[in-house]
Amino acid sequence: AQSVTQLGSHVSVSEGALVLLRCNYSSSVPPYLFWYVQYPNQGLQLLLKYTTGATLVKGINGFEAEFKKSETSFHLTKPSAHMSDAAEYFCAVTGGGADGLTFGKGTHLIIQP
Amino acid sequence: GAVVSQHPSRVICKSGTSVKIECRSLDFQATTMFWYRQFPKKSLMLMATSNEGSKATYEQGVEKDKFLINHASLTLSTLTVTSAHPEDSSFYICSARDPGGGLGYTFGSGTRLTVV
Repeated sequence: AQSVTQLGSHVSVSEGALVLLRCNYSSSVPPYLFWYVQYPNQGLQLLLKYTTGATLVKGINGFEAEFKKSETSFHLTKPSAHMSDAAEYFCAVTGGGADGLTFGKGTHLIIQP
Repeated sequence: GAVVSQHPSRVICKSGTSVKIECRSLDFQATTMFWYRQFPKKSLMLMATSNEGSKATYEQGVEKDKFLINHASLTLSTLTVTSAHPEDSSFYICSARDPGGGLGYTFGSGTRLTVV
């Protein structure tokens, strides 16, 4: 079984500031981890994923995340926030195989001008 | 990349009627698709796993008779909300495993269901 905890339902940063969205997971098997972004009334767009190999994963739009097994974390970062980054962000985990994804509750990212 | 088309994007129906939502994989075959439900300002909850040619696997607490899933072909899965009630109003999203063996999931654009 898997679970995901996203700390902070809302995160507000200034434009140009560092973005840090936290994600901790629990998994009984080696996890596969994902970050998705969702804009209002739309589906989910994949930002990045970790399956195996390099623990620092680079994604689209300047986002990256680091898988830290010892901390069971997969935090999402972006060096410089842009207004267009304002959206809902979801961390998700799966054990692979035929399993679907287990999502965190989401973090609403607010960008202050 | 892989594309999943979901239709309709919005639907309003009367209480007691049934609504069908379609999820199609474009240009690839999806033996497995997933259906999620998202409540307002809440996370996505996996409802069921749809397997081509066999019965869907429902998550605990999901009513099988209310949420009928059919995966009759390798490119189409449907979710039918039967005898809909206002509490069934929600955002429903489907997803398919990406082709090619890599571990990825592509999502449809979602369906906003409102039951009046």
